[in-house]
Amino acid sequence: KQEVTQIPAALSVPEGENLVLNCSFTDSAIYNLQWFRQDPGKGLTSLLLIQSSQREQTSGRLNASLDKSSGRSTLYIAASQPGDSATYLCAGWNYGGATNKLIFGTGTLLAVQP
Amino acid sequence: EAQVTQNPRYLITVTGKKLTVTCSQNMNHEYMSWYRQDPGLGLRQIYYSMNVEVTDKGDVPEGYKVSRKEKRNFPLILESPSPNQTSLYFCASSLSPGISYEQYFGPGTRLTVT
Repeated sequence: KQEVTQIPAALSVPEGENLVLNCSFTDSAIYNLQWFRQDPGKGLTSLLLIQSSQREQTSGRLNASLDKSSGRSTLYIAASQPGDSATYLCAGWNYGGATNKLIFGTGTLLAVQP
Repeated sequence: EAQVTQNPRYLITVTGKKLTVTCSQNMNHEYMSWYRQDPGLGLRQIYYSMNVEVTDKGDVPEGYKVSRKEKRNFPLILESPSPNQTSLYFCASSLSPGISYEQYFGPGTRLTVT
């Protein structure tokens, strides 16, 4: 059964620091990986989508990488700001056969202190 | 504006009273799905739909029904709600369930069943 784990579960950093969030999955049959941000009581906002054939994607201060062989993805946030405080979720597509779904990680709660 | 909308955003109801949560997308997406989010359990898929008139169970379908009569709408029906269905519900859509497409999420519906 595919499981997606995120480490750390919570992280508090001072403003300006660079940080890395980790995501690991148990089954290499992940076809792409998507990172989301969720603000308290709100929906999910898509940050980056890495396709299976890609190794990384960048958007502004965010960079996400995907290593299927090791079953890992990382989200790098440069020069963190208080507005980055949120829960970050990674999710992988399990596609084909009887299932077609996103499998979500457990999330990392990020707090950036001013 | 491209978006996924859900209604209502908040709902408090009593055990056994049938309810419907609507979901609509204006992006001509083929794939739609419903998730519930619970503390400590993360996001879990309830049902998904690959296209009109094609629906299938996700991980936690018990107590829920869906229909997909038109491409843009994917309502979630609780025929006889119970307190264990108290949760935060999200509808999502993507162009296709395939490997290249980003998932877009609605703002969420917070349901309380007393």
